[in-house]
Amino acid sequence: QKEVEQDPGPLSVPEGAIVSLNCTYSNSAFQYFMWYRQYSRKGPELLMYTYSSGNKEDGRFTAQVDKSSKYISLFIRDSQPSDSATYLCAMSLQGAQKLVFGQGTRLTINP
Amino acid sequence: GAVVSQHPSWVICKSGTSVKIECRSLDFQATTMFWYRQFPKQSLMLMATSNEGSKATYEQGVEKDKFLINHASLTLSTLTVTSAHPEDSSFYICSAPSPYEQYFGPGTRLTVT
Repeated sequence: QKEVEQDPGPLSVPEGAIVSLNCTYSNSAFQYFMWYRQYSRKGPELLMYTYSSGNKEDGRFTAQVDKSSKYISLFIRDSQPSDSATYLCAMSLQGAQKLVFGQGTRLTINP
Repeated sequence: GAVVSQHPSWVICKSGTSVKIECRSLDFQATTMFWYRQFPKQSLMLMATSNEGSKATYEQGVEKDKFLINHASLTLSTLTVTSAHPEDSSFYICSAPSPYEQYFGPGTRLTVT
């Protein structure tokens, strides 16, 4: 069993739709949870960062962490074609140190 | 945010040769840098942690004699793929951490023919 499981997709939705991306994990010691966006042949860029359980909102993006279920989510509202990318969840025991990544979900927003 | 650069962005080499990839933190000092490998349509897999002034720490299953890491200064880490083979063809990405974020480089695409 992988430490972090993420549905690789691909996921294709129409512009304006609400997108839900999810990851599950097995290591209950993870404390820091992140979502990265990666465009083709580029390095990942940080979208959201959450410590422990709870919700965090930043513009059209909302991250949720449920440590009791070992489940994290990223919601994208009013999705735009420019949101088309691969979204990777990542988590760590200590801050920005050794990250464990999910497989990544390839998302396409259709105009 | 902070900037991390990598050079080269793309390299093609022949089987059996060695290739060096540089990772630089442009506007901050990094005592630690991370090296990842990403195969097509797969996630980032941590290969090793580069430590300034000391030996790198390799993840299980990564050959330290094949993937040589040197953290020469607080702004530069290098990864040398020695005696490269076609199966080493991949996307190599470095990152440098701040307390709450890892800043990733743009990646280096290695193709071994």
